[in-house]
Amino acid sequence: QKEVEQDPGPLSVPEGAIVSLNCTYSNSAFQYFMWYRQYSRKGPELLMYTYSSGNKEDGRFTAQVDKSSKYISLFIRDSQPSDSATYLCAMKIWEYGNKLVFGAGTILRVKS
Amino acid sequence: KAGVTQTPRYLIKTRGQQVTLSCSPISGHRSVSWYQQTPGQGLQFLFEYFSETQRNKGNFPGRFSGRQFSNSRSEMNVSTLELGDSALYLCASSSRADQETQYFGPGTRLLVL
Repeated sequence: QKEVEQDPGPLSVPEGAIVSLNCTYSNSAFQYFMWYRQYSRKGPELLMYTYSSGNKEDGRFTAQVDKSSKYISLFIRDSQPSDSATYLCAMKIWEYGNKLVFGAGTILRVKS
Repeated sequence: KAGVTQTPRYLIKTRGQQVTLSCSPISGHRSVSWYQQTPGQGLQFLFEYFSETQRNKGNFPGRFSGRQFSNSRSEMNVSTLELGDSALYLCASSSRADQETQYFGPGTRLLVL
């Protein structure tokens, strides 16, 4: 069993839809949670970073962490075709420095 | 500020050869991490360097090695290449003061024939 589970999709939605992306994890020692976006042939780009349980909002993006359930989510409001990309969740333990453990990534396609 | 740069961008090698990849972090960043990305295994951590010292290491064989120079530039080396080493190799940098944010480069795509 992988430490971080993420449905690879693809997830196809119409433009303007609300998108929900999720990851579950098994290691309760994870403290920091991130969402990255990766376009084809590019490196991952950090979208959201959270530490505590609860919600964090940034524009059209909301990151949610539920440490008791070991479950994190990323919501995208008013999705645009330019949001079409692979979304990767990542997490880390402070003592391990910058070592990130990634989910498999979910391919998102927003149709115009 | 210029982003993380990686060279070369594409590389073709044959089994048994060795390869060296280079990463230049964002100016002022002292931490450099390396990741391997494949369709089957996803993104996996290789190692992290900070101030020329390896700080963390992932579960990869000893054929994978790295180093960091005094100007924070980093190189990774893979010896005795295997077909399974074909992957996108990504480098990420971060500053000591802002460890939460890692900035990734565009990667080096390695094909082993």
